[in-house]
Amino acid sequence: EVQLVESGGGLVQPGGSLRLSCAASGFTFSDHWMTWVRQAPGKGLEWVANIKQDGGQKYYVDSVKGRFTISRDNAKNSLYLQMNSLRAEDTAVYYCTRGGGRCNSYWGQGTLVTVSS
Amino acid sequence: QSALTQPPSASGSPGQSVTISCTGTSSDVGGYNYVSWYQQHPGKAPKLMIYEVSRRPSGVPDRFSGSKSGNTASLTVSGLQAEDEADYYCNSYADNNVWVFGGGTKLTVL
Repeated sequence: EVQLVESGGGLVQPGGSLRLSCAASGFTFSDHWMTWVRQAPGKGLEWVANIKQDGGQKYYVDSVKGRFTISRDNAKNSLYLQMNSLRAEDTAVYYCTRGGGRCNSYWGQGTLVTVSS
Repeated sequence: QSALTQPPSASGSPGQSVTISCTGTSSDVGGYNYVSWYQQHPGKAPKLMIYEVSRRPSGVPDRFSGSKSGNTASLTVSGLQAEDEADYYCNSYADNNVWVFGGGTKLTVL
């Protein structure tokens, strides 16, 4: 059974940093693109970033470029999102999802990030 | 990277059909056959319903269908059932290796 479990969310002050993790199981992690998608409270979905199987290609939404870094460790079946210089508008539930965007059929339950003083 | 345009709400009675539109540009919806649709119930993670414009993942009822014409994609739900009441989001690949979502449509089963 495919499972994606996010962790690392929490309350952080504006300008602070947080690192999200996503533990994957039930499939060959290194065979798949992976993506982070976020959803602000009461709002719609927003694509944040994705990463190729070998980590050699990474793409970001403009609003997080230069602040967020997506990475993966295929040996640990894990996906990460390093978030720096956090802003109030980054407050959201962050979902880890299998796939690069074309067919993201598996999603985690999400981890909540709250940026507030 | 502008969001795709969806109607905020749609509704239909049980057994009826409803179509939700998703309008973009030639740089996203119109330029690529990489449109997908997600269903999201309150407090739950999104679920993939349609990918590559009209393909259904295994386990998704054939009451759900997708299509595209020009810069507008559509999701049609036939034979509406109470459990179809949810938020629906379209998603498309766009120029320069990014993906964009629509603002979402709240589907109400009357």
